[in-house]
Amino acid sequence: DSGVTQTPKHLITATGQRVTLRCSPRSGDLSVYWYQQSLDQGLQFLIQYYNGEERAKGNILERFSAQQFPDLHSELNLSSLELGDSALYFCASSDYSGVPIASQYFGPGTRLLVL
Amino acid sequence: DQQVKQNSPSLSVQEGRISILNCDYTNSMFDYFLWYKKYPAEGPTFLISISSIKDKNEDGRFTVFLNKSAKHLSLHIVPSQPGDSAVYFCAASARSKLTFGTGTRLQVTL
Repeated sequence: DSGVTQTPKHLITATGQRVTLRCSPRSGDLSVYWYQQSLDQGLQFLIQYYNGEERAKGNILERFSAQQFPDLHSELNLSSLELGDSALYFCASSDYSGVPIASQYFGPGTRLLVL
Repeated sequence: DQQVKQNSPSLSVQEGRISILNCDYTNSMFDYFLWYKKYPAEGPTFLISISSIKDKNEDGRFTVFLNKSAKHLSLHIVPSQPGDSAVYFCAASARSKLTFGTGTRLQVTL
């Protein structure tokens, strides 16, 4: 158990809909990272927050947004969903804002299926 | 554009033998390299890392080798155990962003 929790575990929705994925970091970790893993793909870095502020951005679509709240939990909002958005979405947390980054701890992921 | 490549999607090794997982990268700005292990229905777990200023890092049965001139790194597991069966992801860092490879599924057989 990494100490990072993600809800829900599974999510099935339809194209055009909007969903929110939630992540609670390990106690004391200030950084939260979001990743997307599509079928047969590696994990794609989406976005990082550090203590409530956006720190780094990766390949995140404009239809996707995220935020980190004062209690440090984070939400990833996916809107106007398309079939291609079906993937595993991982959240990770870390107590560092930069390198080294070996201390990223991953949650179990949310499996999103868009029908 | 896949900046981190793991060209072998799967590898099967006998228990007790050496497992060698390979990873190639293209971005010379990467300054830190990591290996993660992933079991089904779980998130990736950090295994071992290496800074770009080193060429080898060892932790128990796991050793990572980095060849900067070839932009290649490898993970050696000796001896391999059945519990090592998992998907292994290579990752590289530049400016604290992690770029992952597509993973290699290792199967350790009895």
